[in-house]
Amino acid sequence: QVQLQESGPGLVKPSETLSLTCTVSGGSVSSGSYYWSWIRQPPGKGLEWIGYISYSGSTDYNPSLKSRVTISVDTSKNQFSLKLNSVTAADTAVYYCARRYRYDSSGYVWGQGTLVTVSS
Amino acid sequence: EIVLTQSPGTLSLSPGERATLSCRASQSVSSSYLAWYQQKPGQAPRLLIYGASSRATGIPDRFSGSGSGTDFTLTISRLEPEDFAVYYCQQYGSSPLTFGGGTKVDIK
Repeated sequence: QVQLQESGPGLVKPSETLSLTCTVSGGSVSSGSYYWSWIRQPPGKGLEWIGYISYSGSTDYNPSLKSRVTISVDTSKNQFSLKLNSVTAADTAVYYCARRYRYDSSGYVWGQGTLVTVSS
Repeated sequence: EIVLTQSPGTLSLSPGERATLSCRASQSVSSSYLAWYQQKPGQAPRLLIYGASSRATGIPDRFSGSGSGTDFTLTISRLEPEDFAVYYCQQYGSSPLTFGGGTKVDIK
């Protein structure tokens, strides 16, 4: 059973870069069969898809965030990462990493999430 | 972008009652790539239904999903105390992936 665990700073200053890592256990980010994704949820609000990366390195980002987002994979550490630059208070949210099998309609398996607050 | 509209916003029911949740898409959802998630306070969303009607591993059979195209439904046949939560639909057939605004099922 795959498990996903987010990690990174819980507090980021405005205009700086938010950086999070998702460590995968019970599975491999080197597998070409999955989309490795990031999703966020502002406190008390709904869910927003940020983007995904596949093993080949192909990415797809939400147009609302595309200019500020980079998702990458580190196969040596079995991790994938999120960078969001020029953050503001509106980027305060619980950030989830998630995985979906790309070859059928299977849904997402999620990590437990990590709260990132943008504040000076 | 496909906009998903969930209704009602809040559903107040008693344990043992039937819950019917709706998710309507602004355009057809590709190949029924529609999922339902349950979220409780302080927890990550939990996958209930994928492909519009397939139950995820370990999900009780009181949860069922139906629909195609632009209209989808999640039905909980008999509410158990642990089912009171917020439910989200998600389409993952077209980019950007999008979520509905959620339906809160609370205790009447």
